Amino acid sequence: QSVLTQPPSVSGAPGQRVTISCTGSSSNIGAGYDVHWYQQLPGTAPKLLIYGNINRPSGVPDRFSGSKSGTSASLAITGLQAEDEADYYCQSYDSSLTVVFGGGTKLTVL
Amino acid sequence: EVQVLESGGGLVQPGGSLRLSCAASGFRFSYYAMSWVRQVPGKGLEWVSSISGSGGSKYYADSVKGRFTISRDNSKNTLYLQMSSLRAEDTAVYYCAKEIAAAYYFDYWGQGTLVTVSS
Repeated sequence: QSVLTQPPSVSGAPGQRVTISCTGSSSNIGAGYDVHWYQQLPGTAPKLLIYGNINRPSGVPDRFSGSKSGTSASLAITGLQAEDEADYYCQSYDSSLTVVFGGGTKLTVL
Repeated sequence: EVQVLESGGGLVQPGGSLRLSCAASGFRFSYYAMSWVRQVPGKGLEWVSSISGSGGSKYYADSVKGRFTISRDNSKNTLYLQMSSLRAEDTAVYYCAKEIAAAYYFDYWGQGTLVTVSS
């Protein structure tokens, strides 16, 4: 049981927009800690996709965007491409002095 | 170019011990916190442990507290994870990650090393 809650799967057709939610609590996201997102392509290590709720590392396309409100955060992907098919994880920090992850969301490009 | 490279994984019997290493390059190692994150094959990510740049502060997940010890040798740019009293549920790919401590996120990850706990 992950501390942060994500939908197990989402899907969309090429060119469409999809969003992935991440719900936490008052001890992590709601306490003001930032949310970060990682993309894990099949058979590879996770890669930082969004940090500090809304920031993209160099090289990440602007099709990817993040937002945060209250005890939740969201990752949006516009102009969906086949190469976006991957697992996506949200991550934050908890007042118990632990790093917490979401359970992951599998994105399928139809 | 930032690189982190894990080693030391393998097959170990329940109750046994194993030490993982993570060699880092391309950044000022002692300036950055480092972490271990694991992933059971086919499952999600689980944070295991973090250590400050100086090595003076260490943090552990409840699931490994008292059994795993994180350490670092800044003269060798190397991070370690000493694992003891291993259980079947510790079977996972273990990733080493460079941490941005002030913001609690991981900007670079290694390719992972597989630890299998089985008799």
